[in-house]
Amino acid sequence: DGGITQSPKYLFRKEGQNVTLSCEQNLNHDAMYWYRQDPGQGLRLIYYSQIVNDFQKGDIAEGYSVSREKKESFPLTVTSAQKNPTAFYLCASREGEVNTEAFFGQGTRLTVV
Amino acid sequence: GNSVTQMEGPVTLSEEAFLTINCTYTATGYPSLFWYVQYPGEGLQLLLKATKADDKGSNKGFEATYRKETTSFHLEKGSVQVSDSAVYFCALNTGFQKLVFGTGTRLLVSP
Repeated sequence: DGGITQSPKYLFRKEGQNVTLSCEQNLNHDAMYWYRQDPGQGLRLIYYSQIVNDFQKGDIAEGYSVSREKKESFPLTVTSAQKNPTAFYLCASREGEVNTEAFFGQGTRLTVV
Repeated sequence: GNSVTQMEGPVTLSEEAFLTINCTYTATGYPSLFWYVQYPGEGLQLLLKATKADDKGSNKGFEATYRKETTSFHLEKGSVQVSDSAVYFCALNTGFQKLVFGTGTRLLVSP
């Protein structure tokens, strides 16, 4: 079955550590996105990529980094520079045409301990 | 810039009540409009979409009509169930760009 997979589902990080969240899709989608969701809040865009080896900052990119070496994969690294990383992280992909919807992974809940 | 405004929640209803969640948008060009649903601890799932003015999207008893004259895409359901309790997001895009989401509206349905 085609879909988008995020791992792990739960992740704990000590302060000062970098951590990488995985996002893989087998939908052959060109565009991929990372969003952050805080309790009771909407989705805020961190980074997005429209094509392999290219990505753009979203609204809250500080303290995060990404790569897009393969079409299927768009990992997100939460660095120690992110001052408040505890949140629910959602990865999405879409074909990129104007009428297409985004498909979301199940999310990763990151907690700083 | 593009933006989406949703009514604040939570919206609290009894089972079988009529549901309306308001959504209005601001966009350049001709956006496609979407409603997504999020159940606790999960990602978002597409509920319905409309790609041009006067289109009606529908799914699982939910409906929304793309109203260009009022720049709205209100979500409706004639009879809600307890299982409809979730957070609902209105969203738009205008091309090969990022999606723009509203802040979400929590729906609570009691038996």
